[in-house]
Amino acid sequence: DAEITQSPRHKITETGRQVTLACHQTWNHNNMFWYRQDLGHGLRLIHYSYGVQDTNKGEVSDGYSVSRSNTEDLPLTLESAASSQTSVYFCASSPGNEQFFGPGTRLTVL
Amino acid sequence: RKEVEQDPGPFNVPEGATVAFNCTYSNSASQSFFWYRQDCRKEPKLLMSVYSSGNEDGRFTAQLNRASQYISLLIRDSKLSDSATYHCVVNTLDDMRFGAGTRLTVKP
Repeated sequence: DAEITQSPRHKITETGRQVTLACHQTWNHNNMFWYRQDLGHGLRLIHYSYGVQDTNKGEVSDGYSVSRSNTEDLPLTLESAASSQTSVYFCASSPGNEQFFGPGTRLTVL
Repeated sequence: RKEVEQDPGPFNVPEGATVAFNCTYSNSASQSFFWYRQDCRKEPKLLMSVYSSGNEDGRFTAQLNRASQYISLLIRDSKLSDSATYHCVVNTLDDMRFGAGTRLTVKP
């Protein structure tokens, strides 16, 4: 069955380190998204992509980057992790309106 | 002011109750609207899209009022399995905005 996966599921890192979160989908969707979820804020859009080589900034993109070299993957990189980036990160893909979410990555920055 | 505002909740209701969630959005250019459900420590999943004419899916009814920039979700005959957080989601061109979510607990 087609699916969307994220790895790692849990990550603890230190302030200042570079961290990359992986997102892989097998639906062949062109649209992919990264969100973070914090208490009291719901999900906030970090970056999104509408196809290979296309990337766009979302509402809270500072300190994050993405690249889209193929249809299946949209890795999210924290260039220099900060404690404020401790959060749960969700990746999603979409053929159009409905978004399908991965299981999430819980990131702790100490 | 947040772009998408929801009832803060939590809502604690008995089984069989009817419960209504409300949501307002600030961007009049918003084009599509949804309710997503999220179980504890799980990913959000689409519950239903919301159309101007209103739409119903079993015990769930969603309404959209574009003039008032208001969205609602009505759950009738609540079940224990309806316990979750419900997010109002508004799509404006390339921007998908989630409300903070309203937590519902249905008790026996």
